[in-house]
Amino acid sequence: EAGVTQSPTHLIKTRGQQATLRCSPISGHTSVYWYQQALGLGLQFLLWYDEGEERNRGNFPPRFSGRQFPNYSSELNVNALELEDSALYLCASSSWGQANEKLFFGSGTQLSVL
Amino acid sequence: QQQVKQSPQSLIVQKGGISIINCAYENTAFDYFPWYQQFPGKGPALLIAIRPDVSEKKEGRFTISFNKSAKQFSLHIMDSQPGDSATYFCAASLVTGGGNKLTFGTGTQLKVEL
Repeated sequence: EAGVTQSPTHLIKTRGQQATLRCSPISGHTSVYWYQQALGLGLQFLLWYDEGEERNRGNFPPRFSGRQFPNYSSELNVNALELEDSALYLCASSSWGQANEKLFFGSGTQLSVL
Repeated sequence: QQQVKQSPQSLIVQKGGISIINCAYENTAFDYFPWYQQFPGKGPALLIAIRPDVSEKKEGRFTISFNKSAKQFSLHIMDSQPGDSATYFCAASLVTGGGNKLTFGTGTQLKVEL
């Protein structure tokens, strides 16, 4: 069974540009979570999508946005990139009901803003 | 606001020794406490998790000890092996009611030496 897949693996942008990161959850999972892993700061919760709806949002500015498609894949968009947006962006998926506590992470997209 | 504090930041243990990582949380509403293991270039993988209705959970060489009154929990790795060298993250969340927005600690880099 395929795990959570993220693309691209690496992304290099310049300040002010927009970045789009993609995530495909494990088959059968309806929830997708996005986390930012900046050096020395652990993982910070960004967004949670389920059944196509944004369910929760972390303490990040509005230029961080995303969506979930009917096939449950998800996109994270970061507008007006700033240098401090350089980080590893991780996507995780989970199923619903009693199993929803288990989050399965992808390998991430390393975003570098120059 | 950091709601989960993790220590130590780094840890060196001899092969066969016991590795101990500690975490403390603030939000008494949290009802799910997982530990994740992350190798370089990979996303975090769920190692073991505990609910607050038990004080200890053991899976193989990994044990979580949970102290609800002190709002602390710890990971013990018995008979530590070089293959255990990785970054470990504790986390906490409120899963009752849907979703699993994890709040992570800042991570512990474990190195197991021969």
